[in-house]
Amino acid sequence: SAVISQKPSRDICQRGTSLTIQCQVDSQVTMMFWYRQQPGQSLTLIATANQGSEATYESGFVIDKFPISRPNLTFSTLTVSNMSPEDSSIYLCSVGTSGVSRDEQYFGPGTRLTVT
Amino acid sequence: KNQVEQSPQSLIILEGKNCTLQCNYTVSPFSNLRWYKQDTGRGPVSLTIMTFSENTKSNGRYTATLDADTKQSSLHITASQLSDSASYICVVSANDYKLSFGAGTTVTVRA
Repeated sequence: SAVISQKPSRDICQRGTSLTIQCQVDSQVTMMFWYRQQPGQSLTLIATANQGSEATYESGFVIDKFPISRPNLTFSTLTVSNMSPEDSSIYLCSVGTSGVSRDEQYFGPGTRLTVT
Repeated sequence: KNQVEQSPQSLIILEGKNCTLQCNYTVSPFSNLRWYKQDTGRGPVSLTIMTFSENTKSNGRYTATLDADTKQSSLHITASQLSDSASYICVVSANDYKLSFGAGTTVTVRA
């Protein structure tokens, strides 16, 4: 299994500002993902963080709003830019090994973001 | 569109009782089905993972079943404990990493 930590665990931010969330894994992993979980909803994939190249975004999510970095195989950041109250959600980092169809995806504890 | 439907949306059970959660999916092609437990304020934690050829998988007091023909799965919790209070999420994988998530069933166990 993989142990994943996220910083910060929670934050309250003002609209128009940006927040960068960090995800650290205790081992090298091929795949890293960022999810959003809005209140009362299930998880929605934002993007796949690719090491050494630009992230792959899902429909409805763009790089200008959610820039992602993946400088190495154990670390990634997600920035929520120009925040509005609609961005209030839990943001989760997830990791998987290659050939993940049979393997687990492990989730971090999440970052609870409230935008006022 | 790949969909995962869970029922009930929520349930309350007394400590020591059993319960069963349901999951229906339309995801195709099918790779595997996972059940996750998500405690309030925490990330999801995997309980079971089943491929097409597996029709039951247990993890302690949790037993998952899969009928790939009817595209249905269930999660049975035996002798519930207060610590079982959580959201249980059914997740279906169509390929290597694309996951379709159900909305979850919120279970509340009362003493």
